[in-house]
Amino acid sequence: NAGVTQTPKFQVLKTGQSMTLQCAQDMNHNSMYWYRQDPGMGLRLIYYSASEGTTDKGEVPNGYNVSRLNKREFSLRLESAAPSQTSVYFCASSLSTGQSGNTIYFGEGSWLTVV
Amino acid sequence: QKEVEQNSGPLSVPEGAIASLNCTYSDRVSQSFFWYRQYSGKSPELIMSIYSNGDKEDGRFTAQLNKASQYVSLLIRDSQPSDSATYLCAVNIGDQTGANNLFFGTGTRLTVIP
Repeated sequence: NAGVTQTPKFQVLKTGQSMTLQCAQDMNHNSMYWYRQDPGMGLRLIYYSASEGTTDKGEVPNGYNVSRLNKREFSLRLESAAPSQTSVYFCASSLSTGQSGNTIYFGEGSWLTVV
Repeated sequence: QKEVEQNSGPLSVPEGAIASLNCTYSDRVSQSFFWYRQYSGKSPELIMSIYSNGDKEDGRFTAQLNKASQYVSLLIRDSQPSDSATYLCAVNIGDQTGANNLFFGTGTRLTVIP
């Protein structure tokens, strides 16, 4: 019962490098999300995709891009990594963005360090 | 003022006691409220959701919502060492109920002492 799977789990980047975090869900959910979690700041929404073919900015989108590849997959790209992007990244999904289906299920997290 | 505020703790309670976790939020029209538990190094997992004023019980957990006071709490009865974790309060801010406008508090770290 995989749920939400994200890769890689750990990554160290040099400033200016690019990378893509991959996420896939097998729950047939329509909506997917990328969050970052920082000490003292809590979980903050970076981007979300309400349904296949759509993406929208969340609270902290600067420095990131996303792609909703299909219903299952939602990737997060850092084009030019900065030390401020050192964080734990969580992919998540929900049945929908409406109240009846807005319970979020999280992946296991990706620990990213930018040096 | 943050949209969702929690006391960061740590909150320490003895095994078997009641742990009380509190959360306040900024927007009185908010309609959906959630409590997540997060073990160290792990992802958040949903414990309870609550949408109406009053209490909602699920096993040893009780969520309490007071919209007039903009306050939601989580009570854990008969606390166990396995309950030691960080508890995140999440609120849909505003009148929209989608997960895309869900705001999380910074979490309260609970330690249950055997």
